[in-house]
Amino acid sequence: EIVLTQSPATLSLSPGERATLSCRASQSVSSYVAWYQQKPGQAPRLLIYDASNRATGIPARFSGSGSGTEFTLTISSLEPEDFAVYYCQYRSTRPSVTFGQGTRLEIK
Amino acid sequence: EVQLLESGGGLVQPGGSLRLSCAASGFTFDNYAMSWVRQAPGKGLEWVSTISGSGATTYYADSVRGRFTFSRDNSKNTLSLQMNTLRAEDTAVYYCAKHYRHNWYFDLWGRGTLVTVSS
Repeated sequence: EIVLTQSPATLSLSPGERATLSCRASQSVSSYVAWYQQKPGQAPRLLIYDASNRATGIPARFSGSGSGTEFTLTISSLEPEDFAVYYCQYRSTRPSVTFGQGTRLEIK
Repeated sequence: EVQLLESGGGLVQPGGSLRLSCAASGFTFDNYAMSWVRQAPGKGLEWVSTISGSGATTYYADSVRGRFTFSRDNSKNTLSLQMNTLRAEDTAVYYCAKHYRHNWYFDLWGRGTLVTVSS
């Protein structure tokens, strides 16, 4: 079973700064990775799919990259509304779905 | 409006049963696979189950297989999750989610319904 490990667990930054979130797979998952944003009391929102494609309506400051086992979500310049928890996700061949444990992006 | 609306959550004793529902609107329901994803209080996301657009095929996480049954009624645009033999570790907010195109990513989520398993 493939495990997704996100780092760091918590990232403390200020508005306007650049955020880099990491998701590492225990074995290659090609480019079948998505990223979600979740704010307190809300459902997750799809940001990125297939590692680097922005979902509909997602601002250009969000970008994804990577393939194989290493994936990155980058937020180029943080807005106040970007402080939330971020999850990566992979669909395995079983099939089943695996989520990373999440990275909390907090205001410094 | 494109939306999903879950219902049916509540407090149930260990060993008990509960049936969750999800009403879909605003999209061609039977064109899409659908899933349930849960989130225990203060924890991360956990996939529970997926059903194909036709309803003919279902998939389950190991943690719920044999206890949960996922079904859909395409004539009513509704999903159902029958949960039996509930355990304390099933306590979570349960979200229904729509698959993006024919992928296993989730581009539309409901607000969730809370299931609490406790005596």
